[in-house]
This record gives sequence, structure tokens and C-alpha cells, in this order.
Amino acid sequence: SQQGEEDPQALSIQEGENATMNCSYKTSINNLQWYRQNSGRGLVHLILIRSNEREKHSGRLRVTLDTSKKSSSLLITASRAADTASYFCATDSRGYGNKLVFGAGTILRVKS
Amino acid sequence: GAVVSQHPSRVICKSGTSVKIECRSLDFQATTMFWYRQFPKQSLMLMATSNEGSKATYEQGVEKDKFLINHASLTLSTLTVTSAHPEDSSFYICSARHYGYTFGSGTRLTVV
Repeated sequence: SQQGEEDPQALSIQEGENATMNCSYKTSINNLQWYRQNSGRGLVHLILIRSNEREKHSGRLRVTLDTSKKSSSLLITASRAADTASYFCATDSRGYGNKLVFGAGTILRVKS
Repeated sequence: GAVVSQHPSRVICKSGTSVKIECRSLDFQATTMFWYRQFPKQSLMLMATSNEGSKATYEQGVEKDKFLINHASLTLSTLTVTSAHPEDSSFYICSARHYGYTFGSGTRLTVV
């Protein structure tokens, strides 16, 4: 039931650089959420953006949403080694019966 | 904030045996819980939606007789992997919806 695609699948950057991850989805959404997962562990909720919002900020995170293109992006500024993790977008969509469906994810590696 | 407790965090079982994973909402009532499975380096795949007092709704391709879900109370959902095989080895995560989605810390199942 996975409905989202993310790119890139993997991203390797130097500490201090910005990291941008993209997510596309297929149906109309109520909201879109971004999560982080450190290797083999649980999920950490990062940010939620509603379908009527276009941009949202939280600390070093910036999320955009383009409902016309059914896409979202997550920007992490001034990356740190501790940001190394997998990042997933997830859509809360009426088209999927009000359940959270995850994208494929981006593996981010920040080199110090 | 809302907390979901998932146990056990790790379990190793022999092929052919059954394993039960518990998901509890600690400080709120959850009429709906979700069960996900995650294979290494892959995304979370929704397996089923657990509804308190009624039958679970399974996603396409998930065997309901193999993955038994019971949601007998407003704070507890259980997933039982029956007649486990090595290919069932995976990371299982539950989630409850309460003003958003709260995730358990996951269970790593290894079938030997």
C-alpha cells in the first residue's frame, strides 16, 4: 500500500552542507508528515504539513508542499553528523482510508 | 504527550512457533492502531489496521491467518505471528492514532 516515492534513495554530504529530500505521492491528502529513523530503531516525528499549507519551518528543517504536483521536499540546513539516518515521508490520505502510508525513504549520511 | 509502548523489543523464535507482540497506548485510548513491517533498508509497509472490538482490516497480500491481530481493549492491540518462518524475520512497528500518529519503538523478530 506504499504510495510515495522518494528521491534520492541515498544521499551523502559533508557536515555543514544542506540536504534536500523529495517525496511524491499519488492521491489527495489531508496532510503529509516527515519522520526520521536511526538504524534499526523507532520513528521520530519531525514535522507535519497540512494540505492547505505550502511551507513550514521547524528549527533547521524546512518542508514544502506542492499539492498540484503531489510532491513535498524536506530541507535540512547546516547538517550535522547526528542527522545521519533514514528519512521517510508519510501521507495521511482519505484515498487510503485515513491511514498513514510511507514513502520509500532516503538514507542520509552526513560525513564529519 | 501520547506514548505507545511496544513489547518485546527483540525476540528470537524457532521456525514453526508463534510469537505475540504487544502494543499499548499508555496515556490515551486508541480505538484504532496500525501494524507495519519493515525489512532491512526498506520502508514501512502497512500490514493491517486494528480496530477495537471488531475485526482487523488487512492490506492486500497480508495473510490474516498468519498475522493474527486482536484489539480487545482501548489500550492494547496484539499481533501474533503464527507458524513463523525465517522469511517472517523483520522489524514490526505499531502505531496508534491520537491527535496524530504515535509509534511504538518496534520489535525485531528473528526466526531461526
